[in-house]
This record gives sequence, structure tokens and C-alpha cells, in this order.
Amino acid sequence: GAVVSQHPSWVICKSGTSVKIECRSLDFQATTMFWYRQFPKQSLMLMATSNEGSKATYEQGVEKDKFLINHASLTLSTLTVTSAHPEDSSFYICSASTKTGLGYNEQFFGPGTRLTVL
Amino acid sequence: TQLLEQSPQFLSIQEGENLTVYCNSSSVFSSLQWYRQEPGEGPVLLVTVVTGGEVKKLKRLTFQFGDARKDSSLHITAAQPGDTGLYLCAGLSGSARQLTFGSGTQLTVLP
Repeated sequence: GAVVSQHPSWVICKSGTSVKIECRSLDFQATTMFWYRQFPKQSLMLMATSNEGSKATYEQGVEKDKFLINHASLTLSTLTVTSAHPEDSSFYICSASTKTGLGYNEQFFGPGTRLTVL
Repeated sequence: TQLLEQSPQFLSIQEGENLTVYCNSSSVFSSLQWYRQEPGEGPVLLVTVVTGGEVKKLKRLTFQFGDARKDSSLHITAAQPGDTGLYLCAGLSGSARQLTFGSGTQLTVLP
């Protein structure tokens, strides 16, 4: 099956610093990757859609200058949380989309990154 | 905005009991997926249903897609503690690549 990795799996940083999270599709190419945020006991909330070679599309309410997304290749997307604050502490999950043999799009999820901002 | 409502939101049952989780929307989806997520991990895909009225079985789990492709259900027979987790339904509409996630059902199966 398709495998998506995230790095780091967890990170603790001081308020005001920036943190970069990587999302890689290991055995397939993904023209589209997605970034989600999840609070404890809640569902996934889509933050942005990352398209290879073009600007990301952000969901309403998500600050694009705070959450910088770069999709430099067909296997790598990065999310940078700039000037992180404690309220940015959350579980960040990426997914990579590919078309199945049956013709519909399927997303494969990474293991998530736990960000804690002190 | 397309919304997927899941019910119940929380469910705590004894080992061996049966349960059903519902996923409802007023929108039509071309396909619907069910995921299970454990704490500190990403969601893991359980099944994708595509055809209205489709029923898929995965061991003790039975998934059904509504005839109108607006709703789905997940039935677990003889639940086990290993079934504990957050169950999420997610719908894909038309040619969209974005998934619309349901509100989630936190299942706890007590030994």
C-alpha cells in the first residue's frame, strides 16, 4: 500500500520560533497533498491543499502567512509554522492523494506530528 | 459547506456487544471512506464505498452506503477492546480531491 511519512513525529519549541514539518510520499508520486490540524478528541480540520509547483490553497480562517506550505516535488510537501505560539499547539497530519485503479481519488495519511509550543 | 454528521459522538460498550455508527449528510458524495484513528497516529483507511446501496464486510465490520449516497453506517459485531479508537467517515464529491470529514465517533470497548 501507499506510505506517507512525516518528520518530525513530535516537536517542542519556544514561543516565537518557527517549526518546519515534512510530509513525504514514499512509494508514489502525489501532485496533491493536504494538511490537517486535529485537536484532542476531535475530527480532522483541513488547513490547506498543497499542489506541486503552485501556491497552496488555504481554507477559510487559516492564515497563509503563518502556515507556509511548499510543495517542491511530487513526493515532498512542507508546512512551516512561523512565529509559533501556544495556541498553535496541535496534532498536524498530512495526506497525499493518488488515483486508485478504480478511478477514484484516495488519500493516504501520514502518522502525524505533535507540536507543542511552550 | 458540506457537512458530515456522525452519531453517536461518544460510545462506551462492553466487549462482545454490537454497535452501529452513523454518518449523515444532506449532500451527495461520489465515494465515502471510513477511517480508524488511534491516539498519536494518523487515520488508517478501513474501507471505501462507491456505489449507492453498497455493502462491504471486513471481518466483524459491515459498512453500508445509502442508496442516495448521502449517508453511511458502520456496524461492528462482537466488539473487542482492540476496536477502541476514533472512527471517522469522510466523503469525496464529484471530481473534488478534498475529503470532507465527519465529526468523529470515539469508541471505547471495555474488557
